[in-house]
Amino acid sequence: SQQGEEDPQALSIQEGENATMNCSYKTSINNLQWYRQNSGRGLVHLILIRSNEREKHSGRLRVTLDTSKKSSSLLITASRAADTASYFCASVYSTLTFGKGTMLLVSP
Amino acid sequence: GAGVSQTPSNKVTEKGKYVELRCDPISGHTALYWYRQSLGQGPEFLIYFQGTGAADDSGLPNDRFFAVRPEGSVSTLKIQRTERGDSAVYLCASSLTLGDPYGYTFGSGTRLTVV
Repeated sequence: SQQGEEDPQALSIQEGENATMNCSYKTSINNLQWYRQNSGRGLVHLILIRSNEREKHSGRLRVTLDTSKKSSSLLITASRAADTASYFCASVYSTLTFGKGTMLLVSP
Repeated sequence: GAGVSQTPSNKVTEKGKYVELRCDPISGHTALYWYRQSLGQGPEFLIYFQGTGAADDSGLPNDRFFAVRPEGSVSTLKIQRTERGDSAVYLCASSLTLGDPYGYTFGSGTRLTVV
């Protein structure tokens, strides 16, 4: 069964705006990863944050992790229409456990 | 190969039939994972292999599902007596090691439709 929950389930913004997605998980983790999925097929790894890290940046992506609250957030700055996709967090203890995802729509 | 290859990309089968889904991981990746994704949901873990052995098959829904990786490379997911509820996208991923800090590489999936 799926472990985490993403919030919101769907997010619609305009190009140039920032998009923030939140994720909660239930058990201890070694790291937490964020993935992107286009059109319901292959997942692409975006960023990984280790359990002893609190924040990580990669280009326009910023991820935070709060292990005391068992939550993480993904911020995409200056969004583009090409960022339209579903975004999933995946907590990792031994394997990836995915949440249900946030569907992001970025309108030109 | 450069990425994880899954074949076929689409499979339509009749209820009750047997199907095999193939995954060809990145060369040298010892860990291989199978996930199933239903419409509007996140991927659900099925099984993972470390080398040739199934290290964790706790996600397989029932005994109609079975997976093998006989030589530690290509893996086949086998579903017997398919049911309409088995319809989903079956995703395969591989990583250099279990818990690879660089993340997993996913294939494009096999969309299975049971009619």
